[in-house]
Amino acid sequence: GEDVEQSLFLSVREGDSSVINCTYTDSSSTYLYWYKQEPGAGLQLLTYIFSNMDMKQDQRLTVLLNKKDKHLSLRIADTQTGDSAIYFCAEGKAGTALIFGKGTTLSVSS
Amino acid sequence: NAGVTQTPKFQVLKTGQSMTLQCAQDMNHEYMSWYRQDPGMGLRLIHYSVGAGITDQGEVPNGYNVSRSTTEDFPLRLLSAAPSQTSVYFCAIRTTLTGELFFGEGSRLTVL
Repeated sequence: GEDVEQSLFLSVREGDSSVINCTYTDSSSTYLYWYKQEPGAGLQLLTYIFSNMDMKQDQRLTVLLNKKDKHLSLRIADTQTGDSAIYFCAEGKAGTALIFGKGTTLSVSS
Repeated sequence: NAGVTQTPKFQVLKTGQSMTLQCAQDMNHEYMSWYRQDPGMGLRLIHYSVGAGITDQGEVPNGYNVSRSTTEDFPLRLLSAAPSQTSVYFCAIRTTLTGELFFGEGSRLTVL
């Protein structure tokens, strides 16, 4: 069945780069998304990538998409303590519900 | 989270009680949905609606009812609350262009 897989935890030091990985299963997904959830808050869309793109960059965020391997990654450059949160990967296409991974908890130490 | 309003933010119920979680949007989107979030389980879709008068079940619909009489509102009803329904509930709307979801701030429900 459909499933989106993410590692559960990632710990980095402030100033380092963080890379959060995600594997999805539906090769027909049109969009792939990254959401951020801070403690006690809802999910906020960080960025998304259309399935015909390989890479998308937005300030400190870089999204890489490998369609052949169904692998999506989110790189956060110069990670700050304010980046500590849970990051969710999700896949979707028209007419179907988004499918979320279980989330990766990013812990940034100073 | 502007545009999606959930109430209440916190609620404590006793087993067997009923209640309604409210969700309202002012962005005029057709698609609205309810998710629950539990530790280690991620987000699971409860019910969704693609427009007024149309609702459908998601992954975990049992114990919940929804209705969609207007575009703006999508209430989630718990008919007889159970401790297994202790969770954080999120309402979300979905854009038609890129399909992204916009979430409300969540409603934290505890069933004793």
